[in-house]
Amino acid sequence: GGIITQTPKFLIGQEGQKLTLKCQQNFNHDTMYWYRQDSGKGLRLIYYSITENDLQKGDLSEGYDASREKKSSFSLTVTSAQKNEMAVFLCASSIARVEQYFGPGTRLTVL
Amino acid sequence: GEQVEQRPPHLSVREGDSAIIICTYTDSATAYFSWYKQEAGAGLQLLMSVLSNVDRKEEQGLTVLLNKKDKRLSLNLTAAHPGDSAVYFCAVRDTNAYKVIFGKGTHLHVLP
Repeated sequence: GGIITQTPKFLIGQEGQKLTLKCQQNFNHDTMYWYRQDSGKGLRLIYYSITENDLQKGDLSEGYDASREKKSSFSLTVTSAQKNEMAVFLCASSIARVEQYFGPGTRLTVL
Repeated sequence: GEQVEQRPPHLSVREGDSAIIICTYTDSATAYFSWYKQEAGAGLQLLMSVLSNVDRKEEQGLTVLLNKKDKRLSLNLTAAHPGDSAVYFCAVRDTNAYKVIFGKGTHLHVLP
């Protein structure tokens, strides 16, 4: 089996700050995803990556950057945190577009 | 594009009763269907997946039904127990897309 780890688990930032979230997987999966989860709104895709150094925009990419420098890691940057923003960011990985496996999430609060 | 509606948003059942969650989708080309469970403070855990050529799949007290004519996917938890209390999400993907569309989730409460 494998595991997906996300760091940090909790992230508190200031308005306008650039914040980086990290995700690591040891499944050796090709594809990785970043989702944003807001209460009552399900999951919205921010970025995904089909392979190392590949980046594809999702439905919610504005305000975010992503980086896939290694097959095992996928980073997400909030380019300018919005005041009072609260959300959970979930990372996932998959092989050959089949089932997705999720990390435990990073909980963001912006003061 | 593909749209997914999930209902009900909240569901309470007694321990031992069945709980049924339904998703409807719009794209007839949708080929891959999954159900996920999310416990408090955790990520999503894959429960079961089916391809479009499967009408029914059962595993460990869970039954997934796929009605392609009505574009309806359901998850039935038979004999629910308090440990099943969580948020459940359906997810669909067509054959040529890396993107997965999720329902908005169903908060299930199983009362002892």
